[in-house]
Amino acid sequence: DARVTQTPRHKVTEMGQEVTMRCQPILGHNTVFWYRQTMMQGLELLAYFRNRAPLDDSGMPKDRFSAEMPDATLATLKIQPSEPRDSAVYFCASGLPGPIDTQYFGPGTRLTVL
Amino acid sequence: GDSVTQMEGPVTLSEEAFLTINCTYTATGYPSLFWYVQYPGEGLQLLLKATKADDKGSNKGFEATYRKETTSFHLEKGSVQVSDSAVYFCALSPAAGNKLTFGGGTRVLVKP
Repeated sequence: DARVTQTPRHKVTEMGQEVTMRCQPILGHNTVFWYRQTMMQGLELLAYFRNRAPLDDSGMPKDRFSAEMPDATLATLKIQPSEPRDSAVYFCASGLPGPIDTQYFGPGTRLTVL
Repeated sequence: GDSVTQMEGPVTLSEEAFLTINCTYTATGYPSLFWYVQYPGEGLQLLLKATKADDKGSNKGFEATYRKETTSFHLEKGSVQVSDSAVYFCALSPAAGNKLTFGGGTRVLVKP
């Protein structure tokens, strides 16, 4: 049963620290999405990649967030420096491009910045 | 731009009651429409989808029909169970490309 995996599942850190979240997409999927979920804003798209190239990162605060895909099996989202307002659940999703655009979500990383 | 509006929750029901969650959308062209479900502590899972007008998506007793004339994709289930307690998200994908736009989510609580 192929699944998207994310690590860590939970992260507590102090303001100003660097945070790195990792995602392993489903093997063969060439599109990867990063979302942030908060009570106030709901589900927001931060960035997405196709074939490891960034297609859209307009939802991401550029001054502190960065997203990369070092290879086809790993996507990373970094926050440096982290702030309390970054506290949220961060989801990664993967999929295949096509006429029916289903995305498969990972279990999320719950980030708490103190 | 594209947008999805769904009814705010929480929706509280008794077991075996009928569930409807309204969803309307704004989009150019002919988007694909989706319902995702999020159980407590988990990521979103695709529940059902429809890709063209009048298509009906169905899964696990849930149904939704793509109504282009009313730009709606309401989710229904005839008899809910406690295990259906979750947050439900309506979403669309534009005619070209696979960037999803989500609604705000509707929390459903089913009581025994």
